[in-house]
Amino acid sequence: DAKTTQPPSMDCAEGRAANLPCNHSTISGNEYVYWYRQIHSQGPQYIIHGLKNNETNEMASLIITEDRKSSTLILPHATLRDTAVYYCIVRVHNTGTASKLTFGTGTRLQVTL
Amino acid sequence: SAVISQKPSRDICQRGTSLTIQCQVDSQVTMMFWYRQQPGQSLTLIATANQGSEATYESGFVIDKFPISRPNLTFSTLTVSNMSPEDSSIYLCSVEPVGTSQFFGPGTRLTVL
Repeated sequence: DAKTTQPPSMDCAEGRAANLPCNHSTISGNEYVYWYRQIHSQGPQYIIHGLKNNETNEMASLIITEDRKSSTLILPHATLRDTAVYYCIVRVHNTGTASKLTFGTGTRLQVTL
Repeated sequence: SAVISQKPSRDICQRGTSLTIQCQVDSQVTMMFWYRQQPGQSLTLIATANQGSEATYESGFVIDKFPISRPNLTFSTLTVSNMSPEDSSIYLCSVEPVGTSQFFGPGTRLTVL
């Protein structure tokens, strides 16, 4: 699985968009970009994933660059409940055989009033 | 998605004893994963558990220390044997139904005195 690089921490004002970057310059053609978050003392929560097109769901948007070497997770209107550690992970998608997720150190997002 | 429960949610144990953690899923899944999260650290995979076969352990983890059972497609246990304070961690199970993403349980917070 390709390695990812994320800033260790970020701050965001409540109500503003939080843009969390991730570099994955060694990503392979069949690897997807996944985002998870972990709110203090809870299990990681799946947010979104994508291959090469931008993706949006009820939680966030994922923007992947054309060369796929980096991506940005966007929380459009951050709230205090979005304070968490956000993990960017690249991995082959499960089409029949699940595989492990390799967690890096993630980005600690602090949303403030 | 999948709903996962773990028991116990937390425990405090004496060194030299063993603790068995249970993981129950609300649907049948082929593979279950057990992760460890040491204090202030990210998640590390311990082993992958397939129903009907022996678990596959990651480098640095051995069956004698972390025996795993997988008696059916909705249940698994992880035992932390002969515990020491270094085993104090959050232990998490996860599943990944085919075609979906990986979902995590709430974790078991273990403190070894």
